[in-house]
Amino acid sequence: DTGVSQNPRHKITKRGQNVTFRCDPISEHNRLYWYRQTLGQGPEFLTYFQNEAQLEKSRLLSDRFSAERPKGSFSTLEIQRTEQGDSAMYLCASSLQGANYEQYFGPGTRLTVT
Amino acid sequence: AQKVTQAQTEISVVEKEDVTLDCVYETRDTTYYLFWYKQPPSGELVFLIRRNSFDEQNEISGRYSWNFQKSTSSFNFTITASQVVDSAVYFCALSGKNRDDKIIFGKGTRLHILP
Repeated sequence: DTGVSQNPRHKITKRGQNVTFRCDPISEHNRLYWYRQTLGQGPEFLTYFQNEAQLEKSRLLSDRFSAERPKGSFSTLEIQRTEQGDSAMYLCASSLQGANYEQYFGPGTRLTVT
Repeated sequence: AQKVTQAQTEISVVEKEDVTLDCVYETRDTTYYLFWYKQPPSGELVFLIRRNSFDEQNEISGRYSWNFQKSTSSFNFTITASQVVDSAVYFCALSGKNRDDKIIFGKGTRLHILP
């Protein structure tokens, strides 16, 4: 399978704990995006990378959130001191750079904060 | 600011009926892209179609068709002869002048196809 993969698929954590998610994009895709989807809503953009550079961050991305893409391949999204409001599906997408390329979405990581 | 509105929160139709999902968008860009995605119960977003702002031709793909009207800022999606497998949440979405720009999604329409 050469699609976007995300791990873990599900994560249950207690409020106040830190969690980290991983996204492996389609190989050779130099753009990588993170979105968050809460229940009953559409996905909302969080941030994106071009290679290892983080080019844009949404205001939704509070200082408890940090994303990295150290070698321009896989990416991690860490949430520190989780809150119940962080419960959501976290989606990753990747694409090649340029106007002719689509974003391909992974299956998501569902986070539940108890 | 960019915005996508899907006024229909939930629709139920009986199998084999036709159904249209409405989408209205707002953008100041002259070049932009419109999308429809399907999200079945498994949760993964499935890409259905994209349209760029300069291409107002309607498109048909099997039982699916899309009506893009720039004059009314609408990009509606019709499923003909619906099937139970069409049951899902459908999202209309918009991105800026580059197709790999961040995507702005609507809130989605949950479609129930009843046997």
